[in-house]
Amino acid sequence: GDSVTQMEGPVTLSEEAFLTINCTYTATGYPSLFWYVQYPGEGLQLLLKATKADDKGSNKGFEATYRKETTSFHLEKGSVQVSDSAVYFCALSDKSYGKLTFGQGTILTVHP
Amino acid sequence: EAGVVQSPRYKIIEKKQPVAFWCNPISGHNTLYWYRQNLGQGPELLIRYENEEAVDDSQLPKDRFSAERLKGVDSTLKIQPAELGDSAVYLCASSTGDFNEQFFGPGTRLTVL
Repeated sequence: GDSVTQMEGPVTLSEEAFLTINCTYTATGYPSLFWYVQYPGEGLQLLLKATKADDKGSNKGFEATYRKETTSFHLEKGSVQVSDSAVYFCALSDKSYGKLTFGQGTILTVHP
Repeated sequence: EAGVVQSPRYKIIEKKQPVAFWCNPISGHNTLYWYRQNLGQGPELLIRYENEEAVDDSQLPKDRFSAERLKGVDSTLKIQPAELGDSAVYLCASSTGDFNEQFFGPGTRLTVL
C-alpha cells in the first residue's frame, strides 16, 4: 500500500537558518503530494501541494518539488523564523478518491 | 468563514466506558473524514463520508467504533467500550470533494485510563 517516510526529528535550528525536511513516498500510480503544518493547539493546515512530477509547491517561503525519479518531496525554507516552530507532515493523496496518507511528522523548533 | 468545529477538545475516561466525539464541518462541505492520530504518528483515516453515506470505512474497527452523519452535516464518532489503546487525538476534516483541500479541526485528545 501507499506509504510516506519523513526524516526523523526533532529538528532544532537557529533563526534565519536553512531548513530541509526530507520526505520520500511509495505509491502506485502518480499521487498528489502535500505538506501540512500543525501549530501548537491548532488543527492541521495545508502548507503547499504539488499534483504532478516536477511541480513545485510554495507558500510562506517554503518550497517543495515533486521528484518522481527519486520519489521525494523534500520541504525547504531559506531562512526560518521562530514562528515556523510546529510539526510538519508530508502526505500523499490517492488520485482514485483523494485518501490522504501521512508521514509520521517532524517537530521543528526554531530558537531566536 | 468558520472552520471545522470539534468537541470536546479533551476527554479522559476509564477503560470500558463509552465516549463520543462531535464534528461540525465547514458549511457546504459534503465530504467529511475522521482520522486517528497516535502520539508521534501522522493521522490515519478511519472513515470517509460523502453526504450521509459512509463510502470508506475499511479502517474503522467496527467491533467497538461507530459513526454517523445524520442529514449530511454534523457527524459523531463513538467508541464503546474504550480500550487503553484508543488513547489518541481524533481529527475531523471536511472538503468540497475528494480531490480538494481537506480542512482539519483542532481534534479531540482522548485519554483512556
